[in-house]
Amino acid sequence: GAVVSQHPSWVICKSGTSVKIECRSLDFQATTMFWYRQFPKQSLMLMATSNEGSKATYEQGVEKDKFLINHASLTLSTLTVTSAHPEDSSFYICSARDLLSGGSYNEQFFGPGTRLTVL
Amino acid sequence: GQNIDQPTEMTATEGAIVQINCTYQTSGFNGLFWYQQHAGEAPTFLSYNVLDGLEEKGRFSSFLSRSKGYSYLLLKELQMKDSASYLCAVPSGNTPLVFGKGTRLSVIA
Repeated sequence: GAVVSQHPSWVICKSGTSVKIECRSLDFQATTMFWYRQFPKQSLMLMATSNEGSKATYEQGVEKDKFLINHASLTLSTLTVTSAHPEDSSFYICSARDLLSGGSYNEQFFGPGTRLTVL
Repeated sequence: GQNIDQPTEMTATEGAIVQINCTYQTSGFNGLFWYQQHAGEAPTFLSYNVLDGLEEKGRFSSFLSRSKGYSYLLLKELQMKDSASYLCAVPSGNTPLVFGKGTRLSVIA
């Protein structure tokens, strides 16, 4: 099946710094990638939809100036958490759809996630 | 939008069978997904149903009734490694998957 990678798998940073998380589709092209956030024992919450070559679409309540998303190519999307604070500590997971998968459903493939801890 | 309801937690015994139910309301049906998520890991795809009926895949089966807005995931011959969260998701059109809170399954000896 399609493979999505994320880097880094975990990161610890000081409050006020910025952290960039990369999401790559390794063996397929993805015009659309999605970023989710998950707090402990909670469900995945969709943060934004990342569209190749255009601006991301953010879910209600997600600050676009704090969570910068760039989708520069069909295989790479990045999420930058700017001026991170302890409350941003969470598990960030990206997901992508296969552009050429065809079929009748839009299966999403998930990356392994990035655990962010802000001190 | 979508509204998904699943039990929060379930406990079952190793070797037994467990059924995890999911009821949903959606403005446009485009299939129903089940994912498994172990703690600290990303979700992994289990099944996809778009037609009514039961789809069997090894120890796992998934059932769908579109008229009732209802699905269940059936896990047979439970193993300890099946302890995880099970997420039901119903996308609308080409929208991204929106997950419910999931059902945390604990398999005990």
